[in-house]
Amino acid sequence: NAGVTQTPKFQVLKTGQSMTLQCAQDMNHEYMSWYRQDPGMGLRLIHYSVGAGITDQGEVPNGYNVSRSTTEDFPLRLLSAAPSQTSVYFCASAISQVYTGELFFGEGSRLTVL
Amino acid sequence: KQEVTQIPAALSVPEGENLVLNCSFTDSAIYNLQWFRQDPGKGLTSLLLIQSSQREQTSGRLNASLDKSSGRSTLYIAASQPGDSATYLCAVGRLSNTGNQFYFGTGTSLTVIP
Repeated sequence: NAGVTQTPKFQVLKTGQSMTLQCAQDMNHEYMSWYRQDPGMGLRLIHYSVGAGITDQGEVPNGYNVSRSTTEDFPLRLLSAAPSQTSVYFCASAISQVYTGELFFGEGSRLTVL
Repeated sequence: KQEVTQIPAALSVPEGENLVLNCSFTDSAIYNLQWFRQDPGKGLTSLLLIQSSQREQTSGRLNASLDKSSGRSTLYIAASQPGDSATYLCAVGRLSNTGNQFYFGTGTSLTVIP
């Protein structure tokens, strides 16, 4: 059971560079989301999607872009990396945002921006 | 905005002890509440999910309770074991006009001493 798969696990960027964090799930989940986890601040929602072609902003969307062209994939794009985006990023999915609400998480992607 | 607090931030107990972790939230209009476990460098693993209409859920040595009116949830761990050492997070789901949003606490770091 693959569940939620994130790549890469680790990445170092220079300020101003762009990159994409990949997220894929094989559970046919409608709902997918991206969080960032910072010390002392808990997990904060960046963007989420309730189905293919539908995305919306979360609590901290600035500097990030998402798209949902398929049910399985939900990539997170950093447009111009800044040191403030150094964090651990988690992708999470649920069968439906309303039906059960149980979230399944990936292993995380640790990003450092120099 | 929903604020979720977990106290204490860290807890150390001897093996075999029963313990209670606390989660409080400011807005009682919740959809559900979920408890997670996070091991160092790993993603979050769902432990228990309580819908707003439920008062408690049990899984093995774990029991989670929910009191919406007082804005509190507790996670009870019976007969603690060293393998229970991890960070425990609660997440509160709240329905908005765009679906169910999750708000996370900062977690309680548990160490069970052999």
